Amino acid sequence: DAKTTQPTSMDCAEGRAANLPCNHSTISGNEYVYWYRQIHSQGPQYIIHGLKNNETNEMASLIITEDRKSSTLILPHATLRDTAVYYCIVRPEGTGRRALTFGSGTRLQVQP
Amino acid sequence: KAGVTQTPRYLIKTRGQQVTLSCSPISGHRSVSWYQQTPGQGLQFLFEYFSETQRNKGNFPGRFSGRQFSNSRSEMNVSTLELGDSALYLCASKQGEANYGYTFGSGTRLTVV
Repeated sequence: DAKTTQPTSMDCAEGRAANLPCNHSTISGNEYVYWYRQIHSQGPQYIIHGLKNNETNEMASLIITEDRKSSTLILPHATLRDTAVYYCIVRPEGTGRRALTFGSGTRLQVQP
Repeated sequence: KAGVTQTPRYLIKTRGQQVTLSCSPISGHRSVSWYQQTPGQGLQFLFEYFSETQRNKGNFPGRFSGRQFSNSRSEMNVSTLELGDSALYLCASKQGEANYGYTFGSGTRLTVV
């Protein structure tokens, strides 16, 4: 799996967009970018994933740069419930037989 | 549909004892993975079971073991508990092989005193 780099922590005002960056400069052509988040004392929750096109679902948007070396998870209108640790994982699809591993992630604090 | 259920939610054990944690996956999910989470080490993979067979194993001592039953429910056991085993133990189930398909339970918080 490609190595990812995320900021340790970020703050965001409630109601504003939260933009969480992830650097994955060694990403290979067949590797996807996955985002999970973990709210305090709960298990991680899948958010979104993408290969090269921008993706959007009911939870967030994922913007992947054209060279695919970095990406940004966007929570368009952050709420206090979005306070969590966000994990960016890069790995090929179809590798579900291998264990999913988590790095340190970004701790997002949404401020009222 | 019901989520991943882990029991018990909280547990206090004494050093040297053994403990068994239970995980009931989402109906139809055949893969169950276990993770240990501590403040110092973060989320660490323990092992994964698929159709009653251990498919992957993390780097943990033999005191940590698990099994999966024919109904896909899984248990993990920790023998000879140490203070450092105090952690949140998380279970995740998955239906297919997609990396986005993991659903986690809320975990069992184990405290070893």
